[in-house]
Amino acid sequence: GQQVMQIPQYQHVQEGEDFTTYCNSSTTLSNIQWYKQRPGGHPVFLIQLVKSGEVKKQKRLTFQFGEAKKNSSLHITATQTTDVGTYFCAGRVGTASKLTFGTGTRLQVTL
Amino acid sequence: GAVVSQHPSWVICKSGTSVKIECRSLDFQATTMFWYRQFPKQSLMLMATSNEGSKATYEQGVEKDKFLINHASLTLSTLTVTSAHPEDSSFYICSSTGEANEKLFFGSGTQLSVL
Repeated sequence: GQQVMQIPQYQHVQEGEDFTTYCNSSTTLSNIQWYKQRPGGHPVFLIQLVKSGEVKKQKRLTFQFGEAKKNSSLHITATQTTDVGTYFCAGRVGTASKLTFGTGTRLQVTL
Repeated sequence: GAVVSQHPSWVICKSGTSVKIECRSLDFQATTMFWYRQFPKQSLMLMATSNEGSKATYEQGVEKDKFLINHASLTLSTLTVTSAHPEDSSFYICSSTGEANEKLFFGSGTQLSVL
């Protein structure tokens, strides 16, 4: 079945440092989404990428979708303590409605 | 954005009992509801997809007789964990795509602890 892996599993940075999480799918995706889950909370939608090679920015967050539509990345510039949480990518295959979530990257930010 | 209300937030039950979890869409019609399970520090694993008025579609390895899903209306979907055992202890969370059928809106989740 479809597998979506993320690396690293965990990263601890000091506030102000950059952070990147990488997402790799075993199958080509029709689109990919990113979610953030704070400790004890539920996932919250961040963004969706659809086109091959697409790059989108949200303030300090930059999202990329690979040319082959099998990988994606999320980069956070100058992390803040409010960025703490687990970041999940989630992909769709074809016209299927269900999303397969990646393994997640847990980010810890300290002062 | 679309709001999904999930109850209860947490539940503790004895082994062998059944637990029902409810998810309601408050400001949209949830034609489809996805039920996920999440173990501590792990990813969300899709258990089943429920569609209003029809039988749920279960993912491979998920026992449909143990995890009963009912989606009788466009605003309510329920998950019943039957004859719960300690290994069923987990965070269960529902979600729907709302009317735009793109991003997922999640309920707040239910932490189930089976003693």
